[in-house]
Amino acid sequence: QKEVEQNSGPLSVPEGAIASLNCTYSDRGSQSFFWYRQYSGKSPELIMFIYSNGDKEDGRFTAQLNKASQYVSLLIRDSQPSDSATYLCAVKRPGGYNKLIFGAGTRLAVHP
Amino acid sequence: ETGVTQTPRHLVMGMTNKKSLKCEQHLGHNAMYWYKQSAKKPLELMFVYSLEERVENNSVPSRFSPECPNSSHLFLHLHTLQPEDSALYLCASSLSGTRNQETQYFGPGTRLLVL
Repeated sequence: QKEVEQNSGPLSVPEGAIASLNCTYSDRGSQSFFWYRQYSGKSPELIMFIYSNGDKEDGRFTAQLNKASQYVSLLIRDSQPSDSATYLCAVKRPGGYNKLIFGAGTRLAVHP
Repeated sequence: ETGVTQTPRHLVMGMTNKKSLKCEQHLGHNAMYWYKQSAKKPLELMFVYSLEERVENNSVPSRFSPECPNSSHLFLHLHTLQPEDSALYLCASSLSGTRNQETQYFGPGTRLLVL
């Protein structure tokens, strides 16, 4: 079982729709969760992080965390073609220094 | 200049060459990381330096040799690489020890091609 799993996609949504990206993780002791966006040929950029169960909203983005189910998701409202990218889920291993385990990413395609 | 910078942005080298990748962070962070990103594979952590001490060496072949002279600079020395080492090499930095500041910020990466 991979430590961090994401559906590779592509996830195709029409412009203006809600895109829902999902991520599961295997280490129940994980405490910190991150979503990064990576455009083709570019480096990952942070979208948001979440530590507590529930929802966290930032503009058009909402991160949802359910530690009991070991599940974290990212919702993108009013999707735009510029949101088309690969979205990486990252989980911080408990304890020690700041080691992130990345999923393989989900490719999102927003079509006009 | 702000954020995390990396040089060179692109590098082509033969298998017998020696080259170095450079990373510099201007964020006041105290931890720096090297990642490898190959096509269709997750980001692979290679090395971690925290407070200039190497704390992770993730079973990386000895042809990759990191160096962290201070908290702002990180190098990756390359020698006798193989074609399968061709990838995007990403540097990141973070501020360790404070939960709300542990986010890693990435540089633009070095695209490496080994012939």
